[in-house]
Amino acid sequence: NAGVTQTPKFRVLKTGQSMTLLCAQDMNHEYMYWYRQDPGMGLRLIHYSVGEGTTAKGEVPDGYNVSRLKKQNFLLGLESAAPSQTSVYFCASSRTNTEAFFGQGTRLTVV
Amino acid sequence: AQSVTQLDSQVPVFEEAPVELRCNYSSSVSVYLFWYVQYPNQGLQLLLKYLSGSTLVESINGFEAEFNKSQTSFHLRKPSVHISDTAEYFCAVSDPRGSGYNKLIFGAGTRLAVHP
Repeated sequence: NAGVTQTPKFRVLKTGQSMTLLCAQDMNHEYMYWYRQDPGMGLRLIHYSVGEGTTAKGEVPDGYNVSRLKKQNFLLGLESAAPSQTSVYFCASSRTNTEAFFGQGTRLTVV
Repeated sequence: AQSVTQLDSQVPVFEEAPVELRCNYSSSVSVYLFWYVQYPNQGLQLLLKYLSGSTLVESINGFEAEFNKSQTSFHLRKPSVHISDTAEYFCAVSDPRGSGYNKLIFGAGTRLAVHP
């Protein structure tokens, strides 16, 4: 009963490095989302996907790319990390528009 | 555009006291309303939601929230809190129209600290 699993849980990057965050869900949900959480700002939507092979921009997409090659996976990429991308990243998935299930988060620090 | 305002960033309270966490939203259309809870170093869990019907909704652990359309509010209440309720609480809205996905707009969060 894994639900939504995020990998890795913690990461420290140097400015300019790249990395990919992996989100996997085992609930056969159609919709998946990436949010970032910053103190005093709640969670903000970065990108989302309404199905395999589709992605769309959210509220704060700059500096990030995503891919949904398989229905169960949603990848978030940082091509050239910046200190402003230091944050906690949450992946979520949903079947409908009435509930979303969140992963445990990835704490990313860019130095 | 929709927005959510949580009026208190931190709420300290003693154990067994009542608590209210305030949430106001702005939207030109009908909304779905949610309260999520985040325990330390964990992800978000759905606490309760309002979709339609009765304006008072309850959770399994004693929280309740009331949708007030005229005041555009969805305040969260609990008559007697426990130490284990210490967490951050997020109010969120989404647009019920569209193709079925759930783009949530979150408030900034309220940190509830329950003291013995």
